[in-house]
Amino acid sequence: SQTIHQWPATLVQPVGSPLSLECTVEGTSNPNLYWYRQAAGRGLQLLFYSVGIGQISSEVPQNLSASRPQDRQFILSSKKLLLSDSGFYLCAWSERFYGYTFGSGTRLTVV
Amino acid sequence: GNSVTQMEGPVTLSEEAFLTINCTYTATGYPSLFWYVQYPGEGLQLLLKATKADDKGSNKGFEATYRKETTSFHLEKGSVQVSDSAVYFCALVNNDMRFGAGTRLTVKP
Repeated sequence: SQTIHQWPATLVQPVGSPLSLECTVEGTSNPNLYWYRQAAGRGLQLLFYSVGIGQISSEVPQNLSASRPQDRQFILSSKKLLLSDSGFYLCAWSERFYGYTFGSGTRLTVV
Repeated sequence: GNSVTQMEGPVTLSEEAFLTINCTYTATGYPSLFWYVQYPGEGLQLLLKATKADDKGSNKGFEATYRKETTSFHLEKGSVQVSDSAVYFCALVNNDMRFGAGTRLTVKP
């Protein structure tokens, strides 16, 4: 069966520090992968999606970046975190554009 | 473009009350529609879905009908429980996935 792993579950980072959140999928090949952010009091915002290795599409320009070094690995990064980067980050996958499966999320607090 | 508009919360109900959370969408073509639920401290879980007009999705006593004529997918439950307290997201899939802003539901005993 397909599973999705996302870590860490919670993270507290100082302003200006780097960020790396990792997401891996098991039990499927060539999935579409997504990073969403849920900021306090707001809905879900699509940040990045990837349809294959090395293929990244950005929805919202910001100081975050994403990479897909392997078929089932999706990484969200930042070189210097801002206070406004605080939020709940969700990784998701789909084999087709037909309903997504979400990871358990990472709650990031930038202090 | 594709977008989802969801009624703003928070919504507070007493146990056994009737629930409706409105959701309307804008999309080209024939999107699939979803409701996701997020319980406190957890990620999102698929609650129900509908893939074509007039389909009714249902799960755990919740229902939603895909209405193309009104571009709506309202979530309903006849008798809510305290355990239904969560944030509910309406979503649309049409080449990518778009979410509504979420509606926080609190059910009081």
